[in-house]
Amino acid sequence: DVKVTQSSRYLVKRTGEKVFLECVQDMDHENMFWYRQDPGLGLRLIYFSYDVKMKEKGDIPEGYSVSREKKERFSLILESASTNQTSMYLCASRTLQGPRQPQHFGDGTRLSIL
Amino acid sequence: AQSVAQPEDQVNVAEGNPLTVKCTYSVSGNPYLFWYVQYPNRGLQFLLKYITGDNLVKGSYGFEAEFNKSQTSFHLKKPSALVSDSALYFCAVRDDTGGFKTIFGAGTRLFVKA
Repeated sequence: DVKVTQSSRYLVKRTGEKVFLECVQDMDHENMFWYRQDPGLGLRLIYFSYDVKMKEKGDIPEGYSVSREKKERFSLILESASTNQTSMYLCASRTLQGPRQPQHFGDGTRLSIL
Repeated sequence: AQSVAQPEDQVNVAEGNPLTVKCTYSVSGNPYLFWYVQYPNRGLQFLLKYITGDNLVKGSYGFEAEFNKSQTSFHLKKPSALVSDSALYFCAVRDDTGGFKTIFGAGTRLFVKA
């Protein structure tokens, strides 16, 4: 089974801090994604990476950046945390092998910015 | 532009009764459709997908989904609901034009009463 691991389940930070969320997948997947999940809004794509050192902005990239130095690891960075970034953050990965594969998700990081 | 609509925020059903969770979509090309389930404090788990072929797709935990091209719908169904099916369900769509993005619906919360 594919395993997507997010480093923290719960995180509390202060406004203005630089925050790092880490995600590791163990199945050599090419694509990786960061979403935020808010009630009533579903999942919104922040950034995705289609391969190592490759990244593309999603729908809500403002205030975020990402890093993918190794294939298995995709990091989300909040440059200067603000209270409106309090949310559930979900990482996902997907293989390009075989047609139209689903995404595999981590258990999420619930981030609170005080 | 791609879009997904889940018209019901919540669905209530008695245990043993059939359940339906509705989803409609809009894409430019041919659709790839997915259903995911999310249990409390967990990430999303893949249930089933429609790529092409049979309009009735069978998935995990006894769930199935019916694809209707003329109505652009992909409703999730189960013949006999279990209390343990209570969770948040997401419909998602991607088209076949080669993009990386998957669009998720806002989610439907299913309550199964004993």
